[in-house]
This record gives sequence, C-alpha cells and structure tokens, in this order.
Amino acid sequence: DAGVIQSPRHEVTEMGQEVTLRCKPISGHNSLFWYRQTMMRGLELLIYFNNNVPIDDSGMPEDRFSAKMPNASFSTLKIQPSEPRDSAVYFCASSLDGWREKLFFGSGTQLSVL
Amino acid sequence: GQQLNQSPQSMFIQEGEDVSMNCTSSSIFNTWLWYKQDPGEGPVLLIALYKAGELTSNGRLTAQFGITRKDSFLNISASIPSDVGIYFCAGQLKGAQKLVFGQGTRLTINP
Repeated sequence: DAGVIQSPRHEVTEMGQEVTLRCKPISGHNSLFWYRQTMMRGLELLIYFNNNVPIDDSGMPEDRFSAKMPNASFSTLKIQPSEPRDSAVYFCASSLDGWREKLFFGSGTQLSVL
Repeated sequence: GQQLNQSPQSMFIQEGEDVSMNCTSSSIFNTWLWYKQDPGEGPVLLIALYKAGELTSNGRLTAQFGITRKDSFLNISASIPSDVGIYFCAGQLKGAQKLVFGQGTRLTINP
C-alpha cells in the first residue's frame, strides 16, 4: 500500500521565492496534518485538516504560510515569500479520522532557503 | 512552548543492552504515542497507549501509560543495530485537539 506521499523530497531556493510543498494522504484517510521539524523546536504542528476543512491553523507561523486541501487526495503548503528561517523538514501526515487515530507520516520535504 | 519533557536526549549503548526512555509533563494526557524516526524519513508509529496504566508490547518494545496520565516510558530489550534512530513520544492533551511531541531521544548503538 502506498503511504503518505510528499514532493519534492528536497527543495533549495533563494530568499524571497515562492515555495510549494505537496502531499497526497493515504487513500481513505479523512485527516491531514502538516508538521515542521527543526533542531531547535522539534516537531511542530502547522495546520490540521479534517474532511478537507482546516480545523486548527494556530501553528501557522505567519501570513507568509498558507495551506490548502482542494480534495481528499491532495494538499499543498505554500510559503511566499520564503526566508532563511523557514529552512526545515516539512512533514505531512494523515490519519483515518482525527487525533485519536494513528498518524502516518510521509518522508518529508527538506527545505533550504538561501 | 514545549509541554513534554523527554529524556534522555541521547543514549550511547552497546548492542544487546536494554534501553529505557521516558516522557513527563505537568499536564494530563488522553493518549500517549511512541514514534521512531530513521534518517531522511518521517516518524513511524511504534506503540499507541489509550488508557492510564496500560502496558503494551510490540516485539522487543514495551511502553506504559502512567497512572497519573502525566508520563509514559518506552523500553527496548536486547538492542540491535537497527534500533538506531530518534525516538519521539507524543501525547494528546486532555481537552485539546492536538498532538504534542517530545524533543526526541537519539539512540546510538555500538556493535
């Protein structure tokens, strides 16, 4: 079975450029989560969707970050404009339904903003 | 801010040794989860705990949900080289729709 699929695996960009990260959750999963991982702050939840609707976006750092889930099989996380402090590994995870269910993580996107 | 204290931050052990790590908090949790992350990959769920006092095993791994609901531990018996990685605890706070992660325990094994 295919797990959570993220693309790209690596992204190197210059400060000020727009970055779009993509995620395909596991088929049949109703909940999708975007996390950011850094050495300093560990794993932080950015936003959580349930049935394609954003439920909690309190972790989104600022207006430069936006996330969409146009359908049950696709989500994007966009950073515009990007800054060096956005450099991190961004993970997408999905679950059958909400927090009580087990979260399955993708392999992540390693983002470097120069 | 960080609501979970995971310790130790790192461990260096010999192959075959047992390993123990834990997470504590001043807050009450409804769920405790233990994940392992290999380099270049996302965390993978090892064990999920849903009730206070629950003790669950997965092969050589054993985890417990503390009676006070404020802590959890993970034990690995007879460690092998493939156990190397970063182990994370995660918990769902009572009354919160959110999973909070510990800072991780990096396990290194000398063969």
